[in-house]
Amino acid sequence: SAVISQKPSRDICQRGTSLTIQCQVDSQVTMMFWYRQQPGQSLTLIATANQGSEATYESGFVIDKFPISRPNLTFSTLTVSNMSPEDSSIYLCSVSGYAEAFFGQGTRLTVV
Amino acid sequence: GIQVEQSPPDLILQEGANSTLRCNFSDSVNNLQWFHQNPWGQLINLFYIPSGTKQNGRLSATTVATERYSLLYISSSQTTDSGVYFCAVETGGSYIPTFGRGTSLIVHP
Repeated sequence: SAVISQKPSRDICQRGTSLTIQCQVDSQVTMMFWYRQQPGQSLTLIATANQGSEATYESGFVIDKFPISRPNLTFSTLTVSNMSPEDSSIYLCSVSGYAEAFFGQGTRLTVV
Repeated sequence: GIQVEQSPPDLILQEGANSTLRCNFSDSVNNLQWFHQNPWGQLINLFYIPSGTKQNGRLSATTVATERYSLLYISSSQTTDSGVYFCAVETGGSYIPTFGRGTSLIVHP
């Protein structure tokens, strides 16, 4: 199993600003993932964070809006840039080996 | 891509009742997991169950891979069982789970 520490757990931000979310894993993992969960919805994959290379983004998500860093095999950050109220969501990081997927505690973001 | 459908979408129970949640998927899967999302948004792993039956306390799950469905049983429900239950599957060579829309469960005291 994997233990993932994600922070902040929640934040309230002004529109136009940026927020960086951090995830720390207790072991080295090849793949880390970032998800968005809009209110009342299921999880949507934003991107796969690759160590040593640029992240791979899903359709509808772009690097300028959601820049991702992956400096080593245990850590990743997701930045939500130039926020608007539509960005209010829960953001989750995840790791997946060859069996189970594990998730951080989530970041509940409210943009006002 | 694979389709994952969960039913029912919403469920309201009285404490002590039993319930069955269903997850149907449209293609063969390598992995299947059940998660519980608590009111604070955290996803808790319940079962990793690509096939067969598992039990953990009041919860149990069965996956019939050949018929492309999985069931999650909750017995003697408690208010702390409230939240959203998600089924997620992986198919082919992908390690990225595809989530269903979830079942929202409310357990009243």
